[in-house]
Amino acid sequence: GENVEQHPSTLSVQEGDSAVIKCTYSDSASNYFPWYKQELGKRPQLIIDIRSNVGEKKDQRIAVTLNKTAKHFSLHITETQPEDSAVYFCAASHTSGNTGKLIFGQGTTLQVKP
Amino acid sequence: DTAVSQTPKYLVTQMGNDKSIKCEQNLGHDTMYWYKQDSKKFLKIMFSYNNKELIINETVPNRFSPKSPDKAHLNLHINSLELGDSAVYFCASSQGASGSYEQYFGPGTRLTVT
Repeated sequence: GENVEQHPSTLSVQEGDSAVIKCTYSDSASNYFPWYKQELGKRPQLIIDIRSNVGEKKDQRIAVTLNKTAKHFSLHITETQPEDSAVYFCAASHTSGNTGKLIFGQGTTLQVKP
Repeated sequence: DTAVSQTPKYLVTQMGNDKSIKCEQNLGHDTMYWYKQDSKKFLKIMFSYNNKELIINETVPNRFSPKSPDKAHLNLHINSLELGDSAVYFCASSQGASGSYEQYFGPGTRLTVT
């Protein structure tokens, strides 16, 4: 069935460094790829998303790239800050007829050391 | 102004009991979801409703029964609770049912079954 693999499961960086999280998906029909950030004890919240007709999208310090041919997409965070510490989830849409769902990756725990 | 709210926030109960979790959204969205987040943080969709109609029903035990009295509310009733049901349950909503819209999550209900 549909599957999203996310790596790494944990990532520790020094404040100011960059962080990269990678995901691969199995459903070639997926056309929507959001990234969610979940701080400890809080709800997941969308930080950036990309659709299949776009290869890259940027929003200040975060960017997402999509390679449809290889079926993988990545989250890039530059100039990391301690408040970036959280669990990050990638997801890919899976549609059947008129309904769809998000398939989430396993999550990456990012720790930014001051 | 809370967009997606859930009650209760914490639920501690014994095996065999029946419990309910309630969710409400004031975003005017047509689609609502229930997710289960286990101890490894994995987010898995359980159910989805669109305009009060069940559209996604993953392989969830029959002990779990969702109900949507109107499109702003989605409740989850769990019968005969088991230890393995311990998790955080998130409600979410989105503008449409295609899987290609941002999903707004509630604060979660932490269920502990003893």
